[in-house]
Amino acid sequence: DAGVIQSPRHEVTEMGQEVTLRCKPISGHDYLFWYRQTMMRGLELLIYFNNNVPIDDSGMPEDRFSAKMPNASFSTLKIQPSEPRDSAVYFCASSSERLEKLFFGSGTQLSVL
Amino acid sequence: DAKTTQPTSMDCAEGRAANLPCNHSTISGNEYVYWYRQIHSQGPQYIIHGLKNNETNEMASLIITEDRKSSTLILPHATLRDTAVYYCIGAISGSARQLTFGSGTQLTVLP
Repeated sequence: DAGVIQSPRHEVTEMGQEVTLRCKPISGHDYLFWYRQTMMRGLELLIYFNNNVPIDDSGMPEDRFSAKMPNASFSTLKIQPSEPRDSAVYFCASSSERLEKLFFGSGTQLSVL
Repeated sequence: DAKTTQPTSMDCAEGRAANLPCNHSTISGNEYVYWYRQIHSQGPQYIIHGLKNNETNEMASLIITEDRKSSTLILPHATLRDTAVYYCIGAISGSARQLTFGSGTQLTVLP
């Protein structure tokens, strides 16, 4: 298995632009998580899905952020409009009911200028 | 999740055992201790977890005190590739998928 796949690996955009981050979870996993990592705040859980349904989005910072999971093999995290303070590494992770651990992707380094 | 306290940083000589401590004095009876690590520029990686018995796998050993107020992660023969930030997390089994990461310990393995 290729593991959790995230794209793009790096994204540089200008303030005000829309940004879409993508994630493909490990096949068979029914939980998907989006985390954000910054130097100041560390790793923060933004939202997670179970069976494609959002369960807890309390970590989503504001309405500019939205996440979708249209099917079991794909999820997106969208920021519109983006701001410089959104600059961070965004990680996607997946897991399954029978597992006791998360599998993380390599992350997307987002820079908003 | 239980609050955990870890040293900010530690050094270890290559080939020696690395012992990483974690205090979790407020951990509840049904919370497990999980360890993850994050190598620079990569996503966190699961290492091991346990409830009250000591655990060992191919990566590390986990020693939990009898009162469960603290634990130690042991990397028996540290290599340069073990240089990473190590996170200790207390969480209820099943909710392990919703992990709250603290600041962790930066372990540097020295040649």
